[in-house]
Amino acid sequence: AQKVTQAQTEISVVEKEDVTLDCVYETRDTTYYLFWYKQPPSGELVFLIRRNSFDEQNEISGRYSWNFQKSTSSFNFTITASQVVDSAVYFCALSEKWTDKLIFGTGTRLQVFP
Amino acid sequence: DTAVSQTPKYLVTQMGNDKSIKCEQNLGHDTMYWYKQDSKKFLKIMFSYNNKELIINETVPNRFSPKSPDKAHLNLHINSLELGDSAVYFCASSQDKQGFGTEAFFGQGTRLTVV
Repeated sequence: AQKVTQAQTEISVVEKEDVTLDCVYETRDTTYYLFWYKQPPSGELVFLIRRNSFDEQNEISGRYSWNFQKSTSSFNFTITASQVVDSAVYFCALSEKWTDKLIFGTGTRLQVFP
Repeated sequence: DTAVSQTPKYLVTQMGNDKSIKCEQNLGHDTMYWYKQDSKKFLKIMFSYNNKELIINETVPNRFSPKSPDKAHLNLHINSLELGDSAVYFCASSQDKQGFGTEAFFGQGTRLTVV
């Protein structure tokens, strides 16, 4: 069965600190996709990144980077030099080829203080 | 132009009423969804339509009835509203089904409060 676990309910950091948001997933499928979404205080859900199960390359986009490790079923998200605008709830999500559902983790609330 | 738009943004209503939330996407996507986000921020899929055909119905009470008049619209009608229906409802769309790993684009959400 699909499952996404984000064990960190809330993280608080001071601006310019690096922070890593953890995501652990469970799936029986060999073909699956992992996502991160951001939900700022305004409430909308913003797509950040997608990885497929066959591509374990890490990815960097500006201050954001993602570490995908199949061996530990993890897809962690790191924000370098955090900024106040990074304050949001971040969701990790998983979709499987055969179930056609996007399953979300419970989210991690990140608060960045000036 | 807003890619996925929902109306209304806020909805306050009494128990027992019937209400509808409308959703439209102008992205030309084939698949549309309704998600429910509860007070603890937990997001759960309710329905998924692909080319106007219902493909996912996640054990949602039959008081909830989605309707897709065409590929660009997916409305949600809720009968006999209950207090527990209070939540934020998100509409979303994607180019293809989630099984193909396409990212979903979300509307701004409709905050439903049942009093």
